[in-house]
Amino acid sequence: QVQLVQSGAELKKPGSSVKVSCKASGGTFSSYGINWVRQAPGQGLEWVGGTIPIFGNPKYAQKFQGRVTLTADESTSTAYMQLSSLRPEDTAIYYCARDRLPAALHDTSDLWGQGTMVTVSS
Amino acid sequence: DIQMTQSPSTLSASVGDRVTITCRASQSISSWLAWYQQKPGKAPKLLIYQASSLESGVPSRFSGSGSGTEFTLTISSLQADDFATYYCQQYNSYWTFGQGTKVEIK
Repeated sequence: QVQLVQSGAELKKPGSSVKVSCKASGGTFSSYGINWVRQAPGQGLEWVGGTIPIFGNPKYAQKFQGRVTLTADESTSTAYMQLSSLRPEDTAIYYCARDRLPAALHDTSDLWGQGTMVTVSS
Repeated sequence: DIQMTQSPSTLSASVGDRVTITCRASQSISSWLAWYQQKPGKAPKLLIYQASSLESGVPSRFSGSGSGTEFTLTISSLQADDFATYYCQQYNSYWTFGQGTKVEIK
């Protein structure tokens, strides 16, 4: 059974960058879309961006354009989200989520990682 | 960008109650809508996809309906395990989530 296992919690200074990983354990994902969603403390869910690794065509939410980069290493079934120019309001849990179906134009997710807490504080 | 508006923000109900949550899209999203349940400290769990399709393993007391811009999630008989926060999500154009509905014990 495939699981998404994310990297551990991060504490970062304002202005720095963070790179969160998401590894598909027990399977691959290269033909599935991988999306990233964040949740600030006590707040709702916010889409950051998504990509289908086999196509290499990341899409980013307007709010994060220029600050976020999504990549993937198919050889290790690992996806990455890098967020730069961090500010305190980026403090949140960051989740990766895999699409239900491979190479789908429209899809939601039935498989989520456990989340990675990123704290931005001086 | 497509905006999603959920109502109510909070809902107080008792075990056995029928509960309905509404989600409205700022433009037509056909049936590209999902519903998630989230409990504290946990990742969201998919309940409904494509507006009305029940995800495998989800109890049949959950149902979804709607198309275009108006959608509803109904819990036919609320159980103790259902007290949680629910989010709608459109996936017609990228992803957007509603602001969430917290279902509390009355």
